[in-house]
Amino acid sequence: GAGVSQTPSNKVTEKGKYVELRCDPISGHTALYWYRQSLGQGPEFLIYFQGTGAADDSGLPNDRFFAVRPEGSVSTLKIQRTERGDSAVYLCASSSGRGHLSDTQYFGPGTRLTVL
Amino acid sequence: KNQVEQSPQSLIILEGKNCTLQCNYTVSPFSNLRWYKQDTGRGPVSLTIMTFSENTKSNGRYTATLDADTKQSSLHITASQLSDSASYICVVTPGENTGFQKLVFGTGTRLLVSP
Repeated sequence: GAGVSQTPSNKVTEKGKYVELRCDPISGHTALYWYRQSLGQGPEFLIYFQGTGAADDSGLPNDRFFAVRPEGSVSTLKIQRTERGDSAVYLCASSSGRGHLSDTQYFGPGTRLTVL
Repeated sequence: KNQVEQSPQSLIILEGKNCTLQCNYTVSPFSNLRWYKQDTGRGPVSLTIMTFSENTKSNGRYTATLDADTKQSSLHITASQLSDSASYICVVTPGENTGFQKLVFGTGTRLLVSP
């Protein structure tokens, strides 16, 4: 596609529920990143995929958070037993994955998650 | 700890005026520094990128400077427009070989350009 897309744009759920957030990266980009952005803050790294594998998941806050990218393209961030503190904007970014530190990450519009 | 701090936290200027946003970082080793623009409800968009050997980079009315010795950067916006109203985020890429870009984000400066 022309850019990174994320669905849904907004998600409201109740405490304790399970949610899935989807990211469609730019076609051909092998690197995919998930970030969480709280109000008034910069994005915080959650997890990085190179192809199908999660190369670094050190930013995931706890084991309620999980992400997959089974075919090396679309990725899903899964949150179990949601808590009010999970409310944030979840951003996805992709890059060419050439491994250059100057590769540009292109961000999607984000999914705003609200846990009531 | 790798950190990126930005000032001011927020700024209001009149349309047509210039402004300068500041960024201080403690990231080491350092690879590059970017300024991103984030419109409300949108993802960040890269404006400029500078490596340690570059001290200025322009993109239209946006000019970024970098002093790698003092670990400071600035973003200067000339002849501001209403569409410049957004958050501007300073982002540093550490130079250690993690195999990927583990970006370090500042908290951003929220700019409002008033008519």
